Amino acid sequence: EVQLVESGGGLVQPGRSLRLSCTASGFTFGDYAMSWVRQAPGKGLEWVGFIRSKAYGGTTEYAASVKGRFTISRDDSKSIAYLQMNSLKTEDTAVYYCTRMGLKQAFDIWGQGTMVTVSS
Amino acid sequence: QSALTQPASVSGSPGQSITISCTGTSSDVGGYNYVSWYQQHPGKAPKLMIYDVSNRPSGVSNRFSGSKSGNTASLTISGLQAEDEADYYCSSYTSSSTLVFGTGTKVTVL
Repeated sequence: EVQLVESGGGLVQPGRSLRLSCTASGFTFGDYAMSWVRQAPGKGLEWVGFIRSKAYGGTTEYAASVKGRFTISRDDSKSIAYLQMNSLKTEDTAVYYCTRMGLKQAFDIWGQGTMVTVSS
Repeated sequence: QSALTQPASVSGSPGQSITISCTGTSSDVGGYNYVSWYQQHPGKAPKLMIYDVSNRPSGVSNRFSGSKSGNTASLTISGLQAEDEADYYCSSYTSSSTLVFGTGTKVTVL
């Protein structure tokens, strides 16, 4: 079964850091670009960023709202994608979803999401 | 990058057809055939319904169809069913090599 499982969410103070993990199974992880999408409570979806597969350089792109603060990386040997979040702000409070970009620029597989709450 | 514009809500009776619009610019929706649509039920993760403007992933009902004209993409749900009641989001690739979602549309089955 193709599956993505996020972990690492929780309560963190403003200005601190947190790292989310996304563990994949059921497919050849290294063949796909991986993306993170978030959803603030009661709000819509917001794309956070993605990392290309090694075949396409393993490079990253980010939304303007997180550029310079968030970093996406991947460990293909472990089938894990990471989202390192630094200098967190209260407005970063959201459910964070890990997604596979399996159909060109579409998010075809989604994890169940992990909640990140930034509050003092 | 501003969010793509969708109507806040659309409603229809069972069996009817409804259409949800997604308006962007020539730098996103109008410039690429990389528009996708997602269905999200309350408390659940989104589900891909349409990719590349009009393609359905395996397992998605053929009652869902997509199209595009200029800077506006559309999702049509025909033969509306109670289970179609959900939030729907469009997404597009952009000229900055980023992606952007729409504002979201709540579909209500009357």
